[in-house]
Amino acid sequence: EVELVESGGASVQPGESLRLSCAASGFTFSNHWMTWVRQAPGQGLEWVANIRIDGTEKNYADSAKGRFTISRDNAENSLFLQMDNLRPNDTAVYYCARFGFVSGTDHWGQGTLVTVSS
Amino acid sequence: QPVVTPSSSTSASLGSSVRLTCTLASRQSNYIIAWHHQQPGTAPRYLMKIEGSGAYTRGRGVSDRFSGSSSGADRYLTIANLQSEDGGDYFCETWDTYTSIFGGGTKLTVL
Repeated sequence: EVELVESGGASVQPGESLRLSCAASGFTFSNHWMTWVRQAPGQGLEWVANIRIDGTEKNYADSAKGRFTISRDNAENSLFLQMDNLRPNDTAVYYCARFGFVSGTDHWGQGTLVTVSS
Repeated sequence: QPVVTPSSSTSASLGSSVRLTCTLASRQSNYIIAWHHQQPGTAPRYLMKIEGSGAYTRGRGVSDRFSGSSSGADRYLTIANLQSEDGGDYFCETWDTYTSIFGGGTKLTVL
């Protein structure tokens, strides 16, 4: 069974950094694109970034460009999101998810909460 | 960049059927979309993908009460024999080579 478990969410002040992690199991991690999706309180889903199976291609939403970096470690079945210069409007639950160009985002983690506030 | 527009929030009675709509931009009318369901306080759950042809594939473990169809730029999610646990938000998603986009969500209330 596919399982995605995020960690690293916390309450931070504006301008600070945070690194989210996602531990994947139950599938061949190195065969799948992965993605981060976030959801601000009471709002809809917002795609943040995705990464190719080998990490050689990374794409970002405009809101994440220049501040967030997605990466992966296929040997450790792990996905990461480095978030720098955090802003209050980055406050959201961040979901790690598996993505396929045929299926879409087909498995979700349980999410980890990031709160940015002074 | 892809664009999806969800239908408005709706309500339906227990045991009835409901159809939700996700509309693609006309220039993207052949795109595949995915539907996701989210109950309050929980993570989204993948339901299915729907192709422009109307062919759909449910996610593992998704009830056969959920079905999909397509007409032009519209992608439909039909839920038969509504159950209380079907309430919540439904999001559609589409994507291109580089990005994904989620529609704003449709709230379904089961009466």
